[in-house]
Amino acid sequence: NAGVTQTPKFQVLKTGQSMTLQCAQDMNHEYMSWYRQDPGMGLRLIHYSVGAGITDQGEVPNGYNVSRSTTEDFPLRLLSAAPSQTSVYFCASSYVAHHYNEQFFGPGTRLTVL
Amino acid sequence: GENVEQHPSTLSVQEGDSAVIKCTYSDSASNYFPWYKQELGKRPQLIIDIRSNVGEKKDQRIAVTLNKTAKHFSLHITETQPEDSAVYFCAASRRAAGNKLTFGGGTRVLVKP
Repeated sequence: NAGVTQTPKFQVLKTGQSMTLQCAQDMNHEYMSWYRQDPGMGLRLIHYSVGAGITDQGEVPNGYNVSRSTTEDFPLRLLSAAPSQTSVYFCASSYVAHHYNEQFFGPGTRLTVL
Repeated sequence: GENVEQHPSTLSVQEGDSAVIKCTYSDSASNYFPWYKQELGKRPQLIIDIRSNVGEKKDQRIAVTLNKTAKHFSLHITETQPEDSAVYFCAASRRAAGNKLTFGGGTRVLVKP
């Protein structure tokens, strides 16, 4: 199993550009989520999904869109990049059967917005 | 919503000493408390977790304690080794929130040989 994969590893954008961060998992996990990690602020939840066709907002959703058309994929779209979105983005997944499930993280995408 | 505070933000210990990281949470309904370790440039990985019906859990050199009344939980690392150097995150969630985790701000632990 590849686990949770993310592409790209690094990305530089100019203010106003849009892009999609990709996340995929091969563990048949129902739950998938996106976090951003900024220095001293831990991991903050952007959006999450409990299954295909179901998404919801997390703590910091503004400026980001998600969709979940398959169990395996959960892309994160930046609509119009801003310097405040410079961060490291992690995707995570887990089973949903009960909420004591370990969340498995992807390797992260380091995004810089100029 | 839930708020998790973590202290200290940095911790330097001599190899072989113990390290303790403390977290407090605000939502009394939270009942699951995992700890993640993140090495430099790597992804967070679960190292230990505790449920609210348990007061203490131990796994080799690491242990976690939970005080539901005071709404705080702690990570204890004994006999620290250089490979314990990393950033540690606590988190909390409650059943009604499904798998959503609220993380603390992290503690950078440096183990000096």
